[in-house]
Amino acid sequence: TQLLEQSPQFLSIQEGENLTVYCNSSSVFSSLQWYRQEPGEGPVLLVTVVTGGEVKKLKRLTFQFGDARKDSSLHITAAQPGDTGLYLCAGVGTGNQFYFGTGTSLTVIP
Amino acid sequence: ETGVTQTPRHLVMGMTNKKSLKCEQHLGHNAMYWYKQSAKKPLELMFVYSLEERVENNSVPSRFSPECPNSSHLFLHLHTLQPEDSALYLCASSQGAGGYEQYFGPGTRLTVT
Repeated sequence: TQLLEQSPQFLSIQEGENLTVYCNSSSVFSSLQWYRQEPGEGPVLLVTVVTGGEVKKLKRLTFQFGDARKDSSLHITAAQPGDTGLYLCAGVGTGNQFYFGTGTSLTVIP
Repeated sequence: ETGVTQTPRHLVMGMTNKKSLKCEQHLGHNAMYWYKQSAKKPLELMFVYSLEERVENNSVPSRFSPECPNSSHLFLHLHTLQPEDSALYLCASSQGAGGYEQYFGPGTRLTVT
């Protein structure tokens, strides 16, 4: 099993603050995806990163894939209450199998 | 409708009941998945179907029985469940089964009493 550990597990911040969520593994992944899941809904794909060192921006969200393709980070600038949700990373590993991370639950307080 | 739909959204069943969860995808995808999401645990992959053939079964108890009659529909038949089976059951689809991006339905919240 290619385990993906996310940190922190829980995060509660004030509106307007910045934050970073980490997704780490000892295994190499061919690509990595980030999803956001709101209460009572399924995860929604935010981004896919493929190349080691790749950085992608989605409005206030910045995603980075580690050089060795073992880890990734998600940085949110000026967080808003609409960013509240469970953030999941998912890596594509050996045999093109998906491995989901442990999740980070983010709460942005107005 | 678009995307991936799941019915019912909520289900309460006794341990002796038999029920089925339904998933339908309108994305023209060839692969479909069932996941179980429990509190404080990573998403657990249960079944994978590619072109209506089961390609993966992650040691799921036989009280869960999947069915994929065509590439757009996926069912999960439930019987004699245990309280620890209470969870959010998510369906997803993707273009293929080989590491493609997955698109999820809203899930069925299952409570076993």
